[in-house]
Amino acid sequence: SQTIHQWPATLVQPVGSPLSLECTVEGTSNPNLYWYRQAAGRGLQLLFYSVGIGQISSEVPQNLSASRPQDRQFILSSKKLLLSDSGFYLCAWGDGYTFGSGTRLTVV
Amino acid sequence: RKEVEQDPGPFNVPEGATVAFNCTYSNSASQSFFWYRQDCRKEPKLLMSVYSSGNEDGRFTAQLNRASQYISLLIRDSKLSDSATYLCVVSPAGTSYDKVIFGPGTSLSVIP
Repeated sequence: SQTIHQWPATLVQPVGSPLSLECTVEGTSNPNLYWYRQAAGRGLQLLFYSVGIGQISSEVPQNLSASRPQDRQFILSSKKLLLSDSGFYLCAWGDGYTFGSGTRLTVV
Repeated sequence: RKEVEQDPGPFNVPEGATVAFNCTYSNSASQSFFWYRQDCRKEPKLLMSVYSSGNEDGRFTAQLNRASQYISLLIRDSKLSDSATYLCVVSPAGTSYDKVIFGPGTSLSVIP
């Protein structure tokens, strides 16, 4: 069966520090992968999606970037975090939208 | 008009009550519809798909009205464990998920 792993579960980072969140999928090949952000009290916002290795589409301009170095690995990064980057980050894969358990990021 | 709108909530209902959530969408080309449930500080999980003919899963009934671009979720005999945020999800295509739109969600609290 397919499973999706996301880590870390929580993260507290100072403003200006770098960020790297990782997501991996097992049990499937060539999945569509997605990064979402959910700010407090708000809906899910699609940040990036990828249909294959090295293929990244960005939905909104922002302080973040994404990479897909391997078929089942999707990474969300930032060189310098802003306070506004705080939120709940969710990785999903395109089987009907199965989500990872999420990373709660607080930028202080 | 927002692409997907839901009842603002929150809904506070006693155990055993029937509660209905409403959702409207703006893109008439939308093809697939879902209800997701999100527990506090957890990831959203698929609750049920919504079919044109309407569908039922135990205490949950989902309905779709394409003419009015309206989706509903009915929960009968509410349980404490139903407390969560319910997200309406709309997709304009059957195979590509890059345009899936999540509604803002409606919060439900079932009170003893």
